[in-house]
Amino acid sequence: GAVVSQHPSWVICKSGTSVKIECRSLDFQATTMFWYRQFPKQSLMLMATSNEGSKATYEQGVEKDKFLINHASLTLSTLTVTSAHPEDSSFYICSAKPTGGNQPQHFGDGTRLSIL
Amino acid sequence: AQTVTQSQPEMSVQEAETVTLSCTYDTSENNYYLFWYKQPPSRQMILVIRQEAYKQQNATENRFSVNFQKAAKSFSLKISDSQLGDTAMYFCAFRSNNDMRFGAGTRLTVKP
Repeated sequence: GAVVSQHPSWVICKSGTSVKIECRSLDFQATTMFWYRQFPKQSLMLMATSNEGSKATYEQGVEKDKFLINHASLTLSTLTVTSAHPEDSSFYICSAKPTGGNQPQHFGDGTRLSIL
Repeated sequence: AQTVTQSQPEMSVQEAETVTLSCTYDTSENNYYLFWYKQPPSRQMILVIRQEAYKQQNATENRFSVNFQKAAKSFSLKISDSQLGDTAMYFCAFRSNNDMRFGAGTRLTVKP
């Protein structure tokens, strides 16, 4: 149980393209989901906290107009990288926290984004 | 603000031996959770073990155990009988409410 599906797992696109990444909790509801960015050989950096039915909370230094987050249901959050540029190339990971209680977050398998 | 520090960028251990990974954290919160995650080359984040701060007993999961020293804000991970499959990046993480922070990670290599 407690599976988080993240799609796509790898995307390569041209500079200027917008890319949408989906994060789905398959067998539980998640009021709160999180989006992280990970550079090679570095740790996970929290980008934003996504709350179902409300606006996401962005970490300092993360451009909310660049990284659009939508959490329209209890099982789906999306991250859209708008007008992507090579510097946006990175590994993006989502996690979902089951609603209620203090259960640990469950992570998706990540998305490798490469902008040419 | 919460911070998590892993002071060992790289560690190695011989297969079947025991290794301890260090983690310290800083917080003013009293209720929080601590985690160790494993990230193999596939880059999946795999939960290894978790500890609730209000529990004095150290968490144990098979070959993995922690030494949780709340007063010292220390949370080390001990891996016993190391296996080749344990080779990975290990991240210590702290969570309070919905705020989760990760340490910089320790790259563990298990040698045959």
